Amino acid sequence: EAGVAQSPRYKIIEKRQSVAFWCNPISGHATLYWYQQILGQGPKLLIQFQNNGVVDDSQLPKDRFSAERLKGVDSTLKIQPAKLEDSAVYLCASSPTGGVNTEAFFGQGTRLTVV
Amino acid sequence: SQQGEEDPQALSIQEGENATMNCSYKTSINNLQWYRQNSGRGLVHLILIRSNEREKHSGRLRVTLDTSKKSSSLLITASRAADTASYFCATGGSNDYKLSFGAGTTVTVRA
Repeated sequence: EAGVAQSPRYKIIEKRQSVAFWCNPISGHATLYWYQQILGQGPKLLIQFQNNGVVDDSQLPKDRFSAERLKGVDSTLKIQPAKLEDSAVYLCASSPTGGVNTEAFFGQGTRLTVV
Repeated sequence: SQQGEEDPQALSIQEGENATMNCSYKTSINNLQWYRQNSGRGLVHLILIRSNEREKHSGRLRVTLDTSKKSSSLLITASRAADTASYFCATGGSNDYKLSFGAGTTVTVRA
C-alpha cells in the first residue's frame, strides 16, 4: 500500500515570497491533516479536513496560510507571504474513513527554510 | 496550544535498560496514541489506547492510561540503539477527529 506522498521534500525561499506544498493521502482515507513542526517542538495542527470539508483550522494563520483539498483527495497548503518564523517542517497525514479510534499515517514532510 | 505535555524532555539510557516517559493532557479524550520520529523523518505510529482501556502491550512497548489523572506512560523495555528517537503522545478528541500532539521526549540509547 502506498503511503502519504508529499512534495517537495525541501524548499528554500526568501521572506515575503510565496510557497505551496502538495500532499497525496493514502487512497480512501477521509481525514487529512496538515501539521507544522518547528525544530525541537511537537507537531502543531494547522488544518484538518474530513473529505473535502474543513473540520478544524483554528490554528491556521489565515492572513497568510491557505489550504484546500481537491475533490476530497489531494491537498495543497500555501503560504503567502512567507515570514522567517514559518521555517519549519510541514507534515501531512491521513486517517481512514470513519471513527476516531484510528491512527494517522504521516508523509516524510516538507522542510521549509525562509531566509 | 499543545494538548499533551511529555516528561522528561530528554532521556539518555544504556542499551538494554528500560525507558519510561509520561504524557499529561488537559481535556477529555477518545484515545491516546504514541508516535516515534527519527531525526529528519516522518512520524511513525506505535500504539493506540482507547479511553476505556488501562493498559496495552505491543512487542517491547507497554502503555498505560489513567483518565482520572489525565495521564499516560510509555515504557520501552530492553532498549536498543535503534530506539534512539523522539517520542510523542497524541490525543484523539472525544467529539471530533482532531489529533493533537505534545512536545515530545527525546530518547538517546547509548551502546
